[in-house]
Amino acid sequence: EDQVTQSPEALRLQEGESSSLNCSYTVSGLRGLFWYRQDPGKGPEFLFTLYSAGEEKEKERLKATLTKKESFLHITAPKPEDSATYLCAVQAYSGGYQKVTFGIGTKLQVIP
Amino acid sequence: DGGITQSPKYLFRKEGQNVTLSCEQNLNHDAMYWYRQDPGQGLRLIYYSQIVNDFQKGDIAEGYSVSREKKESFPLTVTSAQKNPTAFYLCASSEGDPTGGKETQYFGPGTRLLVL
Repeated sequence: EDQVTQSPEALRLQEGESSSLNCSYTVSGLRGLFWYRQDPGKGPEFLFTLYSAGEEKEKERLKATLTKKESFLHITAPKPEDSATYLCAVQAYSGGYQKVTFGIGTKLQVIP
Repeated sequence: DGGITQSPKYLFRKEGQNVTLSCEQNLNHDAMYWYRQDPGQGLRLIYYSQIVNDFQKGDIAEGYSVSREKKESFPLTVTSAQKNPTAFYLCASSEGDPTGGKETQYFGPGTRLLVL
């Protein structure tokens, strides 16, 4: 069974204090790994898709990296507006369908 | 502006009542999905559709039904058989590339269903 584990469950940072969120996964035949940002009461907002180990993608203060067992979302000099829950998901081919399994998320709070 | 819309934002269900959640997309995506989100749990797949007039059960389909008569629309009905319907419901779509190269899912704003 595909599994996605995100850590920590919650993270509190001072504004400007860089850190990383972790997403470890167990899946047969990874087709893609996704990062989303979700604000309270809203739908997830797409951030990145990573397809193969060694791949990196950046967007503003966020950088996502991928290895064979895990992905990291690095947040550089975060601002209060980066506060949100960050979701990780993995995609694998299963029974004729590109099944996506989601983690529970990391709730990030950035304090001014 | 292309995107996914869901309505209503909030929905109240009385016991024994069926309710329908709307999902519309203008992204020209072939595949559409319904997820349920509960506190402390990852998103769980209810139903998905890879093409018009075809849909498949996900991991938690019991008590739910869907239709896919148009490419743009994928409504979800929560039936009276669903005993614990209170949750945040999310609709998503993707291009539906069978080779798996373009399967990023994009989400709507969600509908919160509450039981009276």
